[in-house]
Amino acid sequence: GAGVSQSPRYKVAKRGQDVALRCDPISGHVSLFWYQQALGQGPEFLTYFQNEAQLDKSGLPSDRFFAERPEGSVSTLKIQRTQQEDSAVYLCASSTRTSGGIDTQYFGPGTRLTVL
Amino acid sequence: AQSVTQLGSHVSVSEGALVLLRCNYSSSVPPYLFWYVQYPNQGLQLLLKYTTGATLVKGINGFEAEFKKSETSFHLTKPSAHMSDAAEYFCAVSEVTGGFKTIFGAGTRLFVKA
Repeated sequence: GAGVSQSPRYKVAKRGQDVALRCDPISGHVSLFWYQQALGQGPEFLTYFQNEAQLDKSGLPSDRFFAERPEGSVSTLKIQRTQQEDSAVYLCASSTRTSGGIDTQYFGPGTRLTVL
Repeated sequence: AQSVTQLGSHVSVSEGALVLLRCNYSSSVPPYLFWYVQYPNQGLQLLLKYTTGATLVKGINGFEAEFKKSETSFHLTKPSAHMSDAAEYFCAVSEVTGGFKTIFGAGTRLFVKA
């Protein structure tokens, strides 16, 4: 069956450009998470959706980061005015239940963002 | 606040030898604990998780982990390493009382020598 997919897999942006990263969760999964993984580090939580509701956005590093999931399925993470420190792999994960971080999460392959 | 510490960013073992990857956590309430594996150019995959009940948890590919509350540890073991086990391993913690975050450790890269 189809897993979590993310696009694009690789994105190169010039400093100051806006980028949009897409996540297609597993069909029917209620919960969706975004993480940022810097080189050599573990994933760091960015934000959490339960269906279309963004219940936790405490991990978003600045107001340049914005995420949405308008119809409760596909999600987009947008970064405005990208900076070099935004360079990282952005991971999306989904899970079946509404239990947030205590449920098993299924991860996509990630989008590697490089800001020049 | 929750936190996870993985001791050793790199671990090297010989094929057939014991694998031991260390994880210690900090949590103010009973935690849910996870081990994930990440192969190159792939997403993280769940190896095993501890929720409640039996403290020795068995996962996929012959891995297991033991929750030790007194030591706040959740070390990952496998009796005999295989070349295909070479990957990055992440320990993670979430709190039972809710919140929606999972906190990951920095990861341990496992090398398996022939």
